[in-house]
Amino acid sequence: EAQVTQNPRYLITVTGKKLTVTCSQNMNHEYMSWYRQDPGLGLRQIYYSMNVEVTDKGDVPEGYKVSRKEKRNFPLILESPSPNQTSLYFCASRTGTGGWGYTFGSGTRLTVV
Amino acid sequence: GESVGLHLPTLSVQEGDNSIINCAYSNSASDYFIWYKQESGKGPQFIIDIRSNMDKRQGQRVTVLLNKTVKHLSLQIAATQPGDSAVYFCAENIAGTYKYIFGTGTRLKVLA
Repeated sequence: EAQVTQNPRYLITVTGKKLTVTCSQNMNHEYMSWYRQDPGLGLRQIYYSMNVEVTDKGDVPEGYKVSRKEKRNFPLILESPSPNQTSLYFCASRTGTGGWGYTFGSGTRLTVV
Repeated sequence: GESVGLHLPTLSVQEGDNSIINCAYSNSASDYFIWYKQESGKGPQFIIDIRSNMDKRQGQRVTVLLNKTVKHLSLQIAATQPGDSAVYFCAENIAGTYKYIFGTGTRLKVLA
Protein backbone atom coordinates (compact mmCIF):
# COMPACT_ATOMS: atom_id res chain seq x y z
CA GLU A 1 0.00 0.00 0.00
CA ALA A 2 1.29 3.43 -0.99
CA GLN A 3 1.75 5.44 2.16
CA VAL A 4 3.69 7.86 4.28
CA THR A 5 4.58 6.43 7.68
CA GLN A 6 5.59 8.62 10.57
CA ASN A 7 6.47 7.69 14.12
CA PRO A 8 5.67 8.07 16.88
CA ARG A 9 1.96 8.97 16.74
CA TYR A 10 2.06 10.59 20.17
CA LEU A 11 4.99 12.00 22.10
CA ILE A 12 5.24 13.87 25.37
CA THR A 13 8.65 15.25 26.20
CA VAL A 14 10.33 17.83 28.40
CA THR A 15 11.83 21.11 27.36
CA GLY A 16 15.33 20.75 25.99
CA LYS A 17 15.36 17.00 25.42
CA LYS A 18 16.33 16.27 21.83
CA LEU A 19 13.88 14.21 19.82
CA THR A 20 13.44 12.85 16.32
CA VAL A 21 10.22 12.15 14.47
CA THR A 22 10.74 9.68 11.66
CA CYS A 23 9.05 9.73 8.26
CA SER A 24 9.23 7.20 5.48
CA GLN A 25 7.44 6.94 2.12
CA ASN A 26 7.25 3.98 -0.26
CA MET A 27 6.15 5.79 -3.41
CA ASN A 28 9.58 6.84 -4.69
CA HIS A 29 8.53 10.49 -4.39
CA GLU A 30 11.15 13.15 -4.90
CA TYR A 31 9.53 15.77 -2.71
CA MET A 32 8.96 15.50 0.99
CA SER A 33 7.78 18.10 3.48
CA TRP A 34 7.12 18.59 7.14
CA TYR A 35 4.13 20.63 8.27
CA ARG A 36 2.75 21.65 11.61
CA GLN A 37 -0.93 22.14 12.24
CA ASP A 38 -2.20 24.41 14.99
CA PRO A 39 -5.76 25.45 15.93
CA GLY A 40 -7.06 28.25 13.72
CA LEU A 41 -4.12 28.07 11.34
CA GLY A 42 -3.62 26.25 8.08
CA LEU A 43 -0.84 23.75 7.65
CA ARG A 44 2.45 25.59 7.86
CA GLN A 45 5.53 24.24 6.18
CA ILE A 46 8.58 23.69 8.36
CA TYR A 47 11.09 22.24 5.90
CA TYR A 48 10.96 20.56 2.55
CA SER A 49 13.26 18.43 0.44
CA MET A 50 13.39 18.26 -3.35
CA ASN A 51 15.54 15.13 -3.39
CA VAL A 52 18.33 13.33 -1.56
CA GLU A 53 20.66 15.79 0.17
CA VAL A 54 18.59 18.77 -1.00
CA THR A 55 16.56 20.55 1.66
CA ASP A 56 15.26 24.06 2.24
CA LYS A 57 13.42 26.07 4.85
CA GLY A 58 9.70 26.48 4.77
CA ASP A 59 7.70 29.18 6.54
CA VAL A 60 8.41 28.19 10.16
CA PRO A 61 11.84 26.49 10.31
CA GLU A 62 13.11 27.92 13.61
CA GLY A 63 13.92 25.22 16.15
CA TYR A 64 13.83 22.36 13.66
CA LYS A 65 16.32 20.42 11.57
CA VAL A 66 15.88 17.85 8.85
CA SER A 67 18.01 15.51 6.80
CA ARG A 68 17.48 13.57 3.58
CA LYS A 69 20.16 10.91 3.30
CA GLU A 70 17.89 8.47 1.50
CA LYS A 71 15.02 9.13 -0.86
CA ARG A 72 12.45 7.36 1.29
CA ASN A 73 13.29 8.91 4.68
CA PHE A 74 12.93 12.46 5.94
CA PRO A 75 13.30 12.73 9.73
CA LEU A 76 12.40 15.87 11.67
CA ILE A 77 14.76 16.75 14.50
CA LEU A 78 14.06 19.04 17.43
CA GLU A 79 17.43 19.68 19.04
CA SER A 80 16.03 21.53 22.06
CA PRO A 81 12.24 21.38 22.10
CA SER A 82 10.27 24.20 23.67
CA PRO A 83 6.58 24.41 24.68
CA ASN A 84 5.74 26.54 21.61
CA GLN A 85 6.60 23.50 19.49
CA THR A 86 3.67 21.63 20.97
CA SER A 87 1.66 20.87 17.86
CA LEU A 88 0.39 18.26 15.43
CA TYR A 89 3.03 17.41 12.86
CA PHE A 90 2.55 15.91 9.42
CA CYS A 91 5.03 14.49 7.00
CA ALA A 92 3.99 14.50 3.35
CA SER A 93 5.42 13.47 0.01
CA ARG A 94 4.62 14.06 -3.66
CA THR A 95 6.08 13.81 -7.10
CA GLY A 96 6.88 16.66 -9.45
CA THR A 97 7.78 20.30 -8.88
CA GLY A 98 4.21 21.38 -8.42
CA GLY A 99 0.82 20.55 -9.72
CA TRP A 100 0.59 17.33 -7.80
CA GLY A 101 -1.12 16.58 -4.53
CA TYR A 102 0.68 15.64 -1.37
CA THR A 103 0.18 12.31 0.37
CA PHE A 104 0.19 12.83 4.11
CA GLY A 105 1.16 10.65 7.02
CA SER A 106 -1.17 10.07 9.96
CA GLY A 107 0.41 12.73 12.11
CA THR A 108 2.49 13.01 15.27
CA ARG A 109 0.99 14.83 18.21
CA LEU A 110 3.85 16.35 20.17
CA THR A 111 3.53 17.89 23.61
CA VAL A 112 6.50 19.68 25.14
CA VAL A 113 6.18 20.39 28.87
CA GLY B 1 -5.83 17.57 23.83
CA GLU B 2 -7.26 20.50 21.93
CA SER B 3 -8.73 19.63 18.58
CA VAL B 4 -7.12 21.19 15.53
CA GLY B 5 -10.64 21.98 14.34
CA LEU B 6 -11.74 23.83 17.46
CA HIS B 7 -11.89 27.28 15.89
CA LEU B 8 -13.16 26.35 12.46
CA PRO B 9 -16.37 27.50 10.78
CA THR B 10 -18.91 24.70 10.70
CA LEU B 11 -21.35 23.66 8.02
CA SER B 12 -24.18 21.43 9.16
CA VAL B 13 -26.17 19.55 6.54
CA GLN B 14 -28.85 16.93 6.61
CA GLU B 15 -27.89 13.46 5.46
CA GLY B 16 -28.77 13.11 1.80
CA ASP B 17 -28.57 16.83 1.05
CA ASN B 18 -25.85 18.42 -1.04
CA SER B 19 -23.00 20.28 0.66
CA ILE B 20 -21.07 23.26 -0.65
CA ILE B 21 -17.82 24.25 1.00
CA ASN B 22 -16.09 27.43 -0.08
CA CYS B 23 -12.52 28.61 -0.12
CA ALA B 24 -10.99 31.95 -1.04
CA TYR B 25 -7.47 31.39 -2.22
CA SER B 26 -4.77 33.95 -1.76
CA ASN B 27 -2.44 34.13 -4.72
CA SER B 28 -3.42 35.04 -8.27
CA ALA B 29 -0.30 33.22 -9.50
CA SER B 30 -1.57 29.87 -8.21
CA ASP B 31 -2.40 27.44 -10.97
CA TYR B 32 -3.20 24.18 -9.19
CA PHE B 33 -5.71 23.59 -6.43
CA ILE B 34 -6.57 20.67 -4.21
CA TRP B 35 -9.30 19.80 -1.75
CA TYR B 36 -8.37 17.70 1.25
CA LYS B 37 -10.52 15.91 3.79
CA GLN B 38 -9.24 15.45 7.32
CA GLU B 39 -11.03 13.15 9.72
CA SER B 40 -10.41 13.33 13.42
CA GLY B 41 -7.08 11.77 14.35
CA LYS B 42 -5.99 11.27 10.76
CA GLY B 43 -3.84 12.97 8.19
CA PRO B 44 -5.31 15.01 5.33
CA GLN B 45 -6.62 12.89 2.49
CA PHE B 46 -6.66 14.02 -1.14
CA ILE B 47 -10.20 14.35 -2.53
CA ILE B 48 -9.99 16.14 -5.87
CA ASP B 49 -7.81 18.62 -7.69
CA ILE B 50 -8.19 21.14 -10.50
CA ARG B 51 -5.80 23.07 -12.68
CA SER B 52 -6.27 26.71 -13.57
CA ASN B 53 -7.12 25.97 -17.20
CA MET B 54 -10.38 24.40 -16.01
CA ASP B 55 -13.48 25.83 -14.34
CA LYS B 56 -15.01 22.60 -13.15
CA ARG B 57 -13.97 19.06 -12.42
CA GLN B 58 -16.07 16.16 -11.25
CA GLY B 59 -15.25 13.09 -9.27
CA GLN B 60 -17.33 10.50 -7.54
CA ARG B 61 -20.00 12.51 -5.67
CA VAL B 62 -17.70 15.54 -5.58
CA THR B 63 -17.34 18.52 -7.88
CA VAL B 64 -14.81 21.33 -7.64
CA LEU B 65 -15.52 24.73 -9.16
CA LEU B 66 -12.86 27.34 -9.79
CA ASN B 67 -13.53 31.03 -10.31
CA LYS B 68 -10.22 32.71 -11.05
CA THR B 69 -11.79 36.15 -11.42
CA VAL B 70 -12.62 36.32 -7.73
CA LYS B 71 -10.05 33.75 -6.55
CA HIS B 72 -12.70 31.38 -5.28
CA LEU B 73 -12.83 27.61 -5.06
CA SER B 74 -15.75 25.48 -4.00
CA LEU B 75 -16.29 21.82 -3.22
CA GLN B 76 -19.70 20.32 -3.79
CA ILE B 77 -20.56 16.99 -2.21
CA ALA B 78 -23.66 15.29 -3.54
CA ALA B 79 -25.96 13.25 -1.30
CA THR B 80 -23.89 13.90 1.81
CA GLN B 81 -23.34 10.85 4.02
CA PRO B 82 -22.33 10.49 7.68
CA GLY B 83 -18.88 9.36 6.54
CA ASP B 84 -18.39 12.77 4.95
CA SER B 85 -18.20 14.40 8.37
CA ALA B 86 -14.71 15.87 8.58
CA VAL B 87 -12.71 19.04 8.18
CA TYR B 88 -12.25 20.10 4.55
CA PHE B 89 -9.58 22.51 3.40
CA CYS B 90 -8.25 23.77 0.14
CA ALA B 91 -4.66 24.11 -0.97
CA GLU B 92 -3.10 26.16 -3.77
CA ASN B 93 0.21 25.76 -5.55
CA ILE B 94 1.91 28.87 -6.82
CA ALA B 95 2.87 28.24 -10.43
CA GLY B 96 6.41 27.06 -11.00
CA THR B 97 7.25 26.86 -7.31
CA TYR B 98 7.41 24.33 -4.52
CA LYS B 99 5.10 26.54 -2.49
CA TYR B 100 1.73 25.21 -1.36
CA ILE B 101 -0.61 27.36 0.71
CA PHE B 102 -3.23 25.61 2.82
CA GLY B 103 -6.52 27.09 3.98
CA THR B 104 -7.69 26.79 7.57
CA GLY B 105 -10.64 24.59 6.74
CA THR B 106 -14.36 24.13 7.30
CA ARG B 107 -15.88 21.49 9.52
CA LEU B 108 -18.70 19.57 7.87
CA LYS B 109 -21.24 17.97 10.19
CA VAL B 110 -23.75 15.58 8.73
CA LEU B 111 -27.00 15.37 10.65
CA ALA B 112 -28.87 12.09 10.65
